[in-house]
Amino acid sequence: NAGVTQTPKFRVLKTGQSMTLLCAQDMNHEYMYWYRQDPGMGLRLIHYSVGEGTTAKGEVPDGYNVSRLKKQNFLLGLESAAPSQTSVYFCASNKGTDGQETQYFGPGTRLLVL
Amino acid sequence: SQQGEEDPQALSIQEGENATMNCSYKTSINNLQWYRQNSGRGLVHLILIRSNEREKHSGRLRVTLDTSKKSSSLLITASRAADTASYFCATDANDYKLSFGAGTTVTVRA
Repeated sequence: NAGVTQTPKFRVLKTGQSMTLLCAQDMNHEYMYWYRQDPGMGLRLIHYSVGEGTTAKGEVPDGYNVSRLKKQNFLLGLESAAPSQTSVYFCASNKGTDGQETQYFGPGTRLLVL
Repeated sequence: SQQGEEDPQALSIQEGENATMNCSYKTSINNLQWYRQNSGRGLVHLILIRSNEREKHSGRLRVTLDTSKKSSSLLITASRAADTASYFCATDANDYKLSFGAGTTVTVRA
């Protein structure tokens, strides 16, 4: 199993450009999450999904949109990138059942917005 | 706002020594988890402790939880160079969402 994979690994955008980050998991997990990690701040939840076709806002959702059209994929979109969105983005997934609360993380996408 | 806060922010120890880091949180939890992050990599789950547990062990890791003080500690015994990483506590308030602290950076010197 590949676990959780993220595409791309690194991207440079200009202010105002758009892009989509892709997260894929092959563990048949119901729940998927997008986080951002900034220096000295740990991880903050952007959006999450509790199943195919569902999405919900996390702690810092402004400027991002997400879609979960297929159970294995969770897409994070930036419609008009801003320098404040320069960060490392992590995707995670878990089963979403009692006793299976551990989250499995992807390797991250480093995004630089100029 | 972040739920957990780790202390210290950074820790430097000699190989073979023990490393202890603490986590405090603000609201009731279902479980508390510890994760490790090696430089430039994703997070890896280390251990989960439930709100009705007080202590848990996994290999060289020992985690304690005091729900009355809303705090947890992670002890790494007999540290190795490979333990050099950032360690994060994360709380789950029974909704499968994790709230992370800012982390403790541990450096193990040879």
